[in-house]
Amino acid sequence: NAGVTQTPKFQVLKTGQSMTLQCAQDMNHEYMSWYRQDPGMGLRLIHYSVGAGITDQGEVPNGYNVSRSTTEDFPLRLLSAAPSQTSVYFCASSYSPFTGGQETQYFGPGTRLLVL
Amino acid sequence: GDSVTQMEGPVTLSEEAFLTINCTYTATGYPSLFWYVQYPGEGLQLLLKATKADDKGSNKGFEATYRKETTSFHLEKGSVQVSDSAVYFCALSASDRGSTLGRLYFGRGTQLTVWP
Repeated sequence: NAGVTQTPKFQVLKTGQSMTLQCAQDMNHEYMSWYRQDPGMGLRLIHYSVGAGITDQGEVPNGYNVSRSTTEDFPLRLLSAAPSQTSVYFCASSYSPFTGGQETQYFGPGTRLLVL
Repeated sequence: GDSVTQMEGPVTLSEEAFLTINCTYTATGYPSLFWYVQYPGEGLQLLLKATKADDKGSNKGFEATYRKETTSFHLEKGSVQVSDSAVYFCALSASDRGSTLGRLYFGRGTQLTVWP
């Protein structure tokens, strides 16, 4: 198993540009999520999905869109990049969110985004 | 609301020293508690977890005990190695009905550097 994969590893954007961060998992996990990691702030939840066709907002959803057309893929779209979106983005997945929070989540290697 | 507070770093130790990284939490219901580790340039990996009070999670010589009476989940290792140098995150996953499904609440992370 490749686990959770993310592309690209690194990206530079100009303010106002759009892009899609890719995330895929091959473990047949129902639950997928996106976090951003900023210095001194831990990780914060952007969006999540409990299955194909179902998505919802997390703590910091503004400026980001997601969709989940398949179990395997969960892309994150930046509609109009802003310098405040400079961060490291992590995708995570787990079998199910319906187990009272006991499930281990598996993280991808991250995408480092710089918005100029 | 749910939250995690962990010891601020950085922490610098000599090889074979004893390690403690403090973590306390606030949560309704009965959360699961996790320690994740992030090695340089990589994503987060689960180090250990505990899903109910008085459980002890352990892995690679690290241990943490879920203490409901003190709302704590401190990470300990008796003898650290250079290879343990990384950022350590304490996290909780809430279980009550009002929680965001599957969401992990992270502490800010503690940078550990071990010198030979």
